[in-house]
Amino acid sequence: DSGVTQTPKHLITATGQRVTLRCSPRSGDLSVYWYQQSLDQGLQFLIHYYNGEERAKGNILERFSAQQFPDLHSELNLSSLELGDSALYFCASSAQGTSIVHEQFFGPGTRLTVL
Amino acid sequence: ILNVEQSPQSLHVQEGDSTNFTCSFPSSNFYALHWYRWETAKSPEALFVMTLNGDEKKKGRISATLNTKEGYSYLYIKGSQPEDSATYLCALPPNDYKLSFGAGTTVTVRA
Repeated sequence: DSGVTQTPKHLITATGQRVTLRCSPRSGDLSVYWYQQSLDQGLQFLIHYYNGEERAKGNILERFSAQQFPDLHSELNLSSLELGDSALYFCASSAQGTSIVHEQFFGPGTRLTVL
Repeated sequence: ILNVEQSPQSLHVQEGDSTNFTCSFPSSNFYALHWYRWETAKSPEALFVMTLNGDEKKKGRISATLNTKEGYSYLYIKGSQPEDSATYLCALPPNDYKLSFGAGTTVTVRA
């Protein structure tokens, strides 16, 4: 158990809908990262928050947004869902704001299925 | 986006045999290299973070080396066991705030 929690574990929804994925980092970790793993794709970085502020963006679609709250939990909002958004979404946390030397601790993931 | 390549894509190993595989990356502007193990139905778990040319890290039967000048890292598994079956990911930070992951090497250890 990494100490990172994600809810829900599974989510099934329809095209055009909006969903919110939630992540709670390890106690004391200030950084939260979101990743997407689609079929036949590696882990794709979406976005990084550090202590409530956005630090880096990857190939995140405009239909997706995220935020990190004062209690450090983070939410990833996915709207106008398309079939291609079906994927495993991971949240990871680390103690510091830099990715260089600090390992990331991954949550169990949320499996999103868009029908 | 940093181009991180891992080879081979998959490999099968007999229990008790040793194996190794490669992560290749652009040698310019190197900051660090991360190795993660990802078992089926679980989430990725950090193995090593390596920063210095010539670095060698070891955790049990798994070890890794790093050559930043030529842009590669090897991960070795000695005396493979069925519990070593997993996908091994390497990742590098193109800047301070994110990681670029390779596609992984999937190792299957046959009993």
